Amino acid sequence: EPEVTQTPSHQVTQMGQEVILRCVPISNHLYFYWYRQILGQKVEFLVSFYNNEISEKSEIFDDQFSVERPDGSNFTLKIRSTKLEDSAMYFCASTGARAVYGYTFGSGTRLTVV
Amino acid sequence: GENVEQHPSTLSVQEGDSAVIKCTYSDSASNYFPWYKQELGKGPQLIIDIRSNVGEKKDQRIAVTLNKTAKHFSLHITETQPEDSAVYFCAARTTSGTYKYIFGTGTRLKVLA
Repeated sequence: EPEVTQTPSHQVTQMGQEVILRCVPISNHLYFYWYRQILGQKVEFLVSFYNNEISEKSEIFDDQFSVERPDGSNFTLKIRSTKLEDSAMYFCASTGARAVYGYTFGSGTRLTVV
Repeated sequence: GENVEQHPSTLSVQEGDSAVIKCTYSDSASNYFPWYKQELGKGPQLIIDIRSNVGEKKDQRIAVTLNKTAKHFSLHITETQPEDSAVYFCAARTTSGTYKYIFGTGTRLKVLA
């Protein structure tokens, strides 16, 4: 069964450093998402990406965040200057045309900012 | 704004008993309601979903019901097994063109052997 792959599984970074979280969505999917989950809390929407541009972003997704799909397969989330409160699990998800089926989520990247 | 409430936050049942988790949503235009199971250290896995033109859907031991008038939907797990122990999240998909999900706060289900 096709999978969404995320790397790394765990990233520790110093406050103020830049991080890039990587995702390889399912190859024929068209809609891509980043969600985050702070420990013990619910999964929160960050951003959606379609047709090579951001289609919607949440209040969390401020100027420190950016997304790219540089080569048609990878989908990255960059945090320019990490803060302690950015520590969370970050999940990538994708879905196909008209989102007929539910998302497929990746297994997540645990980001720890120290 | 858009919101999904989920209850209970924790649920313990004896193996073989049934478990029911309930969600309510605020956006009456939401049209798709997936349920995800999340095991420790893993990403959410879709276990069942229901669309707004259907009132009930069943897949083996798992069923979901939807009441559009009351804006609530429920997950029913029958004959629970220890491997059903996990955190379960409901979600409602918005009708914006981005197909964004709003998640509930999660239910930690423990099935006691």
